[in-house]
Amino acid sequence: ETVMTQSPATLSVSPGERATLYCRASQRISTNLAWYQQRPGQAPRLLIYAASSRATGIPARFSGSGSGTDFSLTITSLQSDDSAVYYCQQYNTGATFGQGTRVEIK
Amino acid sequence: QVQLMQSGAEVIRPGSSVKVSCTASGGSFRTYGLSWVRQAPGQGLEWVGGISPLFEKPDYAQKFQGRVTITADESTTTAYLELDTVTSEDTAVYYCATVNLGLGELVHWFHPWGHGTPVTVSS
Repeated sequence: ETVMTQSPATLSVSPGERATLYCRASQRISTNLAWYQQRPGQAPRLLIYAASSRATGIPARFSGSGSGTDFSLTITSLQSDDSAVYYCQQYNTGATFGQGTRVEIK
Repeated sequence: QVQLMQSGAEVIRPGSSVKVSCTASGGSFRTYGLSWVRQAPGQGLEWVGGISPLFEKPDYAQKFQGRVTITADESTTTAYLELDTVTSEDTAVYYCATVNLGLGELVHWFHPWGHGTPVTVSS
């Protein structure tokens, strides 16, 4: 099974600043990676697929990059409603998720 | 865009089985698959398995092989997840989500998601 490891566990950022979240796969997964945002009490929402393609309706403030084993999600101009847990997920073989990064807005 | 409607909350006894449903509307049922992802209280996301009417058999996470059955009914555009011999560790919100179809297999990135079905295992 491909293990996904996210860092940091928690990120505290001021409004208007940039946040960068990281995700590492235990084996190479090409660009078969997605990112999700989950706000409290809600279902997850797809942000990014194929490592860098934004899902429909996702603002350009969200961008993804990486391939192979190392990936990142960058959120620029952070807003209060970006406060959430963000998960990476590989779909190269089946599907496995990272443990999540909690983004807090100061 | 496809919309997903899931069945209501369940409270079940340890050792029993639970069956939850997910009905899709919009789009053609044969152009996408449906997968299940669960989330235990305060925990992360865990893929359970998925299905498409186009393919012969469902796709299960190894952890759940032998204990889960996922089926799809084209006539009602509904997918079902049945989990057997449940324990307290199966207490979770069970989400369904649509997935893309690759060459003979499901491509498991999930969009959109249903609202979730809470399942509580308690004696």
